[in-house]
Amino acid sequence: QIQLVESGGGVVQPGRSLRLSCAASAFTFSSYAMHWVRQAPGKGLELVALISYDGSNKYYADSVKGRFTISRDNSKNTLYLQMSSLTAEDTAIYYCARDPGTRQQLNILDYWGQGTLVSVSS
Amino acid sequence: EIVLTQSPGTLSLSPGERATLSCRASQSVSSSYLAWYQQKPGQAPRLLIYGASSRATGIPDRFSGSGSGTDFSLTISRLEPEDFAIYYCQKYGTSLPYTFGQGTKLEIK
Repeated sequence: QIQLVESGGGVVQPGRSLRLSCAASAFTFSSYAMHWVRQAPGKGLELVALISYDGSNKYYADSVKGRFTISRDNSKNTLYLQMSSLTAEDTAIYYCARDPGTRQQLNILDYWGQGTLVSVSS
Repeated sequence: EIVLTQSPGTLSLSPGERATLSCRASQSVSSSYLAWYQQKPGQAPRLLIYGASSRATGIPDRFSGSGSGTDFSLTISRLEPEDFAIYYCQKYGTSLPYTFGQGTKLEIK
């Protein structure tokens, strides 16, 4: 069955960097856009970044633009989120999620990983 | 950016009852690009409804979505114990960013 498994979360000091990974399996990863969505403790859902199926198009929320970089390695079926200059406001569970559009972007999310917690604290 | 407002914030009902959750958009949502997700404690969200009224794969038919323009709703015809969760609406489409409502918590009365 389709699986998305995030890793790389943890506790990090303000101003430091962290890289999240999302390993995909049981579908043709290279055909689907992928998204990172985060959820602060006890809060709602927020789009962080998304990347087209081939990596040619990327979008970032204003709150992370210039600090976060989304990328993918289709040969490894893996999605990444490089996060830098982290602040307490970035503390959240980070989910990777698949966009169901094949070689297109529908901007809905049909499969989600279990999430990885990023906690920014001194 | 379209703002989605969900109501009520919390809905207290008993198993077997009918639940109706509302999602109102600050501007018209084009082509009914409105989705609903369910999130249980400690779990990732799950896609229930897209296109305002189409059920996602594997979603029971007690879940239904309706609406257009600025007013949308999610109805659960007969609540099962596993349906008590938080529900989020999402406006999607080509315009970014897409946004989520703040959520409605459906709790057991």
